[in-house]
Amino acid sequence: QKEVEQNSGPLSVPEGAIASLNCTYSDRGSQSFFWYRQYSGKSPELIMFIYSNGDKEDGRFTAQLNKASQYVSLLIRDSQPSDSATYLCAVKKLTGGGNKLTFGTGTQLKVEL
Amino acid sequence: ETGVTQTPRHLVMGMTNKKSLKCEQHLGHNAMYWYKQSAKKPLELMFVYSLEERVENNSVPSRFSPECPNSSHLFLHLHTLQPEDSALYLCASSDRGITEAFFGQGTRLTVV
Repeated sequence: QKEVEQNSGPLSVPEGAIASLNCTYSDRGSQSFFWYRQYSGKSPELIMFIYSNGDKEDGRFTAQLNKASQYVSLLIRDSQPSDSATYLCAVKKLTGGGNKLTFGTGTQLKVEL
Repeated sequence: ETGVTQTPRHLVMGMTNKKSLKCEQHLGHNAMYWYKQSAKKPLELMFVYSLEERVENNSVPSRFSPECPNSSHLFLHLHTLQPEDSALYLCASSDRGITEAFFGQGTRLTVV
């Protein structure tokens, strides 16, 4: 089982719609969860992070965490063509030596005009 | 300068060359990471340094040799690479806690 799993997509949504991206993780000891956006040929940039169960909203983005079910999701409201990118879910666990930040394979999102 | 800076941005090297990638962070973080991203593949964690000690080494071939002289600098020394090592190499840094990691712009490496 992969540590962090995402559907690779592509996920296609029309402009103005809600895009829903999902991620599951295997390690119950994971403590923090991140969504990164990566445009082709560029480095990942942080969109949101969440530590506690429930929802966290930031502008058009909402992250949802359910530790009991071991999943984290990202909702993008009013999707724009500029949101077209690969979205990476990352999970962080503090180990005895420090940190371990593990990424999923990413979901490619396409927002169509 | 601010953030995480990687140099060079692009590198072409022969299989017999020796080169080094450099990463510098100006965020006061104490954990640094090397990731490899091959075309159409996920980010692969290569090495983690926490407080200048290597704490993670994900079965990376010995032709990749990391070095972390202090909490602000991280190097990846390369020697006798193979064409399949061509990829985007990303450096990241974070605090040791549960906070987020920030990435540099990456080095696009091509091995010929």
